[in-house]
Amino acid sequence: DTAVSQTPKYLVTQMGNDKSIKCEQNLGHDTMYWYKQDSKKFLKIMFSYNNKELIINETVPNRFSPKSPDKAHLNLHINSLELGDSAVYFCASSRGDSSYTFGSGTRLTVV
Amino acid sequence: GEDVEQSLFLSVREGDSSVINCTYTDSSSTYLYWYKQEPGAGLQLLTYIFSNMDMKQDQRLTVLLNKKDKHLSLRIADTQTGDSAIYFCAEPAAGNKLTFGGGTRVLVKP
Repeated sequence: DTAVSQTPKYLVTQMGNDKSIKCEQNLGHDTMYWYKQDSKKFLKIMFSYNNKELIINETVPNRFSPKSPDKAHLNLHINSLELGDSAVYFCASSRGDSSYTFGSGTRLTVV
Repeated sequence: GEDVEQSLFLSVREGDSSVINCTYTDSSSTYLYWYKQEPGAGLQLLTYIFSNMDMKQDQRLTVLLNKKDKHLSLRIADTQTGDSAIYFCAEPAAGNKLTFGGGTRVLVKP
């Protein structure tokens, strides 16, 4: 049983398209996150939700819109994809400031 | 501040010990974490240390914490080829997000 699962694992799409990445956790955690890992492997927070409420929204373009239908799910929708959006996107969850668990990542390639 | 810093690269011979260093910023962090990322894979929690501890040992892994200097280290004893990966230290920050260091790429040579 995967604790934090995200789909798809790979996503190749053309510039200008709209795409979504889904994330689900079955750990009963109250906080979920999206992180972006760039080509230099640097990891940076994008968003966090606590019990479906947006807590953190770092400097991310408006084209990125997270949605949390319930506390076990946090999806990421991206409009008008650009070449610079190519990265690996990690979903994660935690209970407070402990027990962080990461998904296996979604490698997004924009061509 | 949000600068968690690590050295970029470490090369070690199989069987030797590896030491990866990290400096963090927030003295009020309750936990500090080490994650491992193998090529093409996700982030795997390797170990963590509670802030009231100076040292934690877990099989081949030893974590040392120097709170005065805000310095964290990870020692891997008897390094194996399977230990080749990128190692990230991380500390919780406002909003419970994790702030990561830039990662240390460890290459184990036979």
